[in-house]
Amino acid sequence: KQEVTQIPAALSVPEGENLVLNCSFTDSAIYNLQWFRQDPGKGLTSLLLIQSSQREQTSGRLNASLDKSSGRSTLYIAASQPGDSATYLCALPVTAAGNKLTFGGGTRVLVKP
Amino acid sequence: GAVVSQHPSRVICKSGTSVKIECRSLDFQATTMFWYRQFPKQSLMLMATSNEGSKATYEQGVEKDKFLINHASLTLSTLTVTSAHPEDSSFYICSAKSPVGFGYEQYFGPGTRLTVT
Repeated sequence: KQEVTQIPAALSVPEGENLVLNCSFTDSAIYNLQWFRQDPGKGLTSLLLIQSSQREQTSGRLNASLDKSSGRSTLYIAASQPGDSATYLCALPVTAAGNKLTFGGGTRVLVKP
Repeated sequence: GAVVSQHPSRVICKSGTSVKIECRSLDFQATTMFWYRQFPKQSLMLMATSNEGSKATYEQGVEKDKFLINHASLTLSTLTVTSAHPEDSSFYICSAKSPVGFGYEQYFGPGTRLTVT
């Protein structure tokens, strides 16, 4: 059974510092990995999706890497802003059809102005 | 981009009543939608998979008679919490799998906060 872990559970950084968020998974036979952002009391916003054949995906200030052999994905957010404060979740599908997602516990980020 | 809406965003109901939550994919057709539940400061827990034209598939431990799911069309799935009790109070989020774009990406609705008094 795939288990997904995100450490640390919470992170506080000053504005302008780069953010590094970690996601670990136990079964390296993955299909893809998706990073989400969740603001308090809101739904999830999809940030990046990395296919198992890829090593990284980039969107603006966001860059996500994937290392299947070590069971890790890292989300980098460059030059953090107070608006980046949110909870970041990684998730992996259980099957190739991408139906069931297994979520990590999330990392709660606070960017201080 | 793919947009998923939920209605209502917030609902308060009395114990013993039923509540219906709607999930719509606004700009794409979704043969499969998913219903999640989230407790405060916890991650999402998948409750059931909603398939258009067929019965929903429930996760272990989720009461199918209590959480009724109907996937009426390719753009609408509903979750009805029957005979709600205070312990059903939670944040309910739906998602839909996009058939276009890249690799079965799932798009999530904004969530519905249910409070049972």
